[in-house]
Amino acid sequence: GAVVSQHPSWVICKSGTSVKIECRSLDFQATTMFWYRQFPKQSLMLMATSNEGSKATYEQGVEKDKFLINHASLTLSTLTVTSAHPEDSSFYICSARDLRREYNEQFFGPGTRLTVL
Amino acid sequence: GQNIDQPTEMTATEGAIVQINCTYQTSGFNGLFWYQQHAGEAPTFLSYNVLDGLEEKGRFSSFLSRSKGYSYLLLKELQMKDSASYLCAILDSNYQLIWGAGTKLIIKP
Repeated sequence: GAVVSQHPSWVICKSGTSVKIECRSLDFQATTMFWYRQFPKQSLMLMATSNEGSKATYEQGVEKDKFLINHASLTLSTLTVTSAHPEDSSFYICSARDLRREYNEQFFGPGTRLTVL
Repeated sequence: GQNIDQPTEMTATEGAIVQINCTYQTSGFNGLFWYQQHAGEAPTFLSYNVLDGLEEKGRFSSFLSRSKGYSYLLLKELQMKDSASYLCAILDSNYQLIWGAGTKLIIKP
């Protein structure tokens, strides 16, 4: 149990285009999902906390108009990188908490590697 | 401020034992996690400690001392597949995960 999927696994796009990444909890409901970004050889950086039915909470320094988050259902959150630029190229990972679990561990999706040309 | 320290890189030999340390200073404490992350992949959960002491799970054990702000992950009978980064993360007073930079573990035959 506690499986999180992401789609797509990788994407290459031209500068200026928008890219949507989906995060789904497959066998549990997730009222809260998290979006991270990880640059090579660096640690995970939390971008935002996605709450079902309400606005996402963004970390300091993350532009909410550039990284649009929609958590429309208990199993789906989407991250849209608008007007992507080469500096947005990174590994984007989502995670979700399964509240049925004994611990508050987060289960991670497999990640989406974004390359902006 | 919030701070989590781990060694950047460690090297060990197949079949041996290695201990990866983590020290922390955070606003509040609701537990400490260890995750394993292979290159190019997402992290996977290894262990959780919220009380002082040692938690053993197969070849992996995790220790916590809250008074010292210290934890370690102990890996026994190392296998080549254990080559990965090991991330220490603290659940703070807001139940938000604060991540360390990770320790890259290299296993040599």
